[in-house]
Amino acid sequence: KQEVTQIPAALSVPEGENLVLNCSFTDSAIYNLQWFRQDPGKGLTSLLLIQSSQREQTSGRLNASLDKSSGRSTLYIAASQPGDSATYLCAVLTKAGTALIFGKGTTLSVSS
Amino acid sequence: DAGVIQSPRHEVTEMGQEVTLRCKPISGHNSLFWYRQTMMRGLELLIYFNNNVPIDDSGMPEDRFSAKMPNASFSTLKIQPSEPRDSAVYFCASSHPGGALHFGNGTRLTVT
Repeated sequence: KQEVTQIPAALSVPEGENLVLNCSFTDSAIYNLQWFRQDPGKGLTSLLLIQSSQREQTSGRLNASLDKSSGRSTLYIAASQPGDSATYLCAVLTKAGTALIFGKGTTLSVSS
Repeated sequence: DAGVIQSPRHEVTEMGQEVTLRCKPISGHNSLFWYRQTMMRGLELLIYFNNNVPIDDSGMPEDRFSAKMPNASFSTLKIQPSEPRDSAVYFCASSHPGGALHFGNGTRLTVT
């Protein structure tokens, strides 16, 4: 059974710092991996989707990498801002037509 | 596109009452998912549909929970009778198979 783990559960950094969020999964046979952001009281917003054949995806200050063989993904946030404060969730899809399995997230706080 | 639309946003009910949560997926998306989020357990998949057909309902906690998708633009999740332990945020999400998942803003359910 696929399990997704995110470490750390919470992270506090000063504004401007570059940071890395970690995600690991137990079964390397995945279809894709997705990173989401959740603001308090809101739904999840899709940030990046990495197909199993890809190594990384970039969007603005965000870069997500995927190492299927080791069952790991990282989300790199460059030059963090207070507006980046949110919970970031990683999720894996085992195959198309099935459902994402989520980690419990990393809650990020960026102080000004 | 208006995104995934859920109603109501908040529901407060007494134990034993019937609760119905509603979801309108993004037009053209043929996969629909119901998730439940709590602090203790994170995001849990309850059930998902492909082309209006339930594919996997193994996450539905017990027979008190039921879900329907009578057409491509509407789904309901019903709890009857409700219990205090059902209190959570219930999310609906939709996607193309294997594509990025789009979430609604959720329904916060409180059962007293």
